[in-house]
Amino acid sequence: DAGVTQSPTHLIKTRGQQVTLRCSPISGHKSVSWYQQVLGQGPQFIFQYYEKEERGRGNFPDRFSARQFPNYSSELNVNALLLGDSALYLCASSLFYTGGTTYNEQFFGPGTRLTVL
Amino acid sequence: DAKTTQPNSMESNEEEPVHLPCNHSTISGTDYIHWYRQLPSQGPEYVIHGLTSNVNNRMASLAIAEDRKSSTLILHRATLRDAAVYYCILRPKSSGDKLTFGTGTRLAVRP
Repeated sequence: DAGVTQSPTHLIKTRGQQVTLRCSPISGHKSVSWYQQVLGQGPQFIFQYYEKEERGRGNFPDRFSARQFPNYSSELNVNALLLGDSALYLCASSLFYTGGTTYNEQFFGPGTRLTVL
Repeated sequence: DAKTTQPNSMESNEEEPVHLPCNHSTISGTDYIHWYRQLPSQGPEYVIHGLTSNVNNRMASLAIAEDRKSSTLILHRATLRDAAVYYCILRPKSSGDKLTFGTGTRLAVRP
């Protein structure tokens, strides 16, 4: 079975530009989360979507937005790119959204490496 | 959120057991303890999780201290493929499904 897929694999942008990253969850998974991983750090939570609705948001500026489509795939958009946005962007899928009431394993994709020049 | 403390790095010999420690002295009663690992050039992957009791699965064992202020991930026989960054994560019931990663422990395995 295919795991979580992300596209593109690598991306180079310049400051001020906008970028869209894409994620396809594991078949049957209805929840998608996005994480940012800066070099040398652990991943930081950005968003979680379930059934096309935002279910959680991390401490990121409004330049970051996301959406989930009826087929449960998701896009992460970042506007007005800054040098500090250079990072590995990870997508994780899970079967459902629990609100933390029970265990819900997250399956991560390989990520999109974004470089902002 | 409660914080975890892990050593920055550890080394092990292939086919020997590895004990990866994690301190979480401010853990609350409803915080789950999760371990994920990140192999080079890959996204994190689930290893194991627990609440109060020790847990075993095909990948590893999780030993949780009686007061829950620390835990240890045990790899019974390290292989070269186990070289990765290991993250100990506390997930409060109130935080939803999000995982709050620290900087983890980088495990090197010597052949």
